[in-house]
Amino acid sequence: EAGVAQSPRYKIIEKRQSVAFWCNPISGHATLYWYQQILGQGPKLLIQFQNNGVVDDSQLPKDRFSAERLKGVDSTLKIQPAKLEDSAVYLCASSTWDSPLHFGNGTRLTVT
Amino acid sequence: GDSVTQMEGPVTLSEEAFLTINCTYTATGYPSLFWYVQYPGEGLQLLLKATKADDKGSNKGFEATYRKETTSFHLEKGSVQVSDSAVYFCALSDISGNNRLAFGKGNQVVVIP
Repeated sequence: EAGVAQSPRYKIIEKRQSVAFWCNPISGHATLYWYQQILGQGPKLLIQFQNNGVVDDSQLPKDRFSAERLKGVDSTLKIQPAKLEDSAVYLCASSTWDSPLHFGNGTRLTVT
Repeated sequence: GDSVTQMEGPVTLSEEAFLTINCTYTATGYPSLFWYVQYPGEGLQLLLKATKADDKGSNKGFEATYRKETTSFHLEKGSVQVSDSAVYFCALSDISGNNRLAFGKGNQVVVIP
């Protein structure tokens, strides 16, 4: 089966610019997650979707981050405006209701 | 909230040595426990899991036992290979049923030939 696809792999932007990341989950996986992994730390959940509804976005900095999953399949995560501390790897994962999470390779964001 | 603590610092060892990575957790109730591995340039992959106390997860020669009495889930491998060089993350899934994972900070493992 095809894995979780993410793009782009790398992105470099200046602070105060905007950026968007895309994720295509494994076919049939209703649950989609975005995690932020800062260098030297474990991944931290930003938002969880069940189909196209938000289950948990309590850790999402909503003043600058937004995410959507309009048709219950692909998802985009946006940052606007970016700050230096947003430099991290953004991981997308998907699962069925009772399966382990499957992760994509991530997007490495550098904010200068 | 629920959390996972991993031992500090990278681990460097010789090929065929014994590997232990410590992981302890704090949680309400009895979460499921996981070890994920991240090879260079790749995404996180599930290595093994355990869903209840005294369960032992195993895969690729790695093992971890869910110890409720010590709230631990230490990862072990009897004889490591160079190909085991990676970052290892301990994680727990809360009991809410939402399948969310909370991760530890990870441990870089470097195996020297």
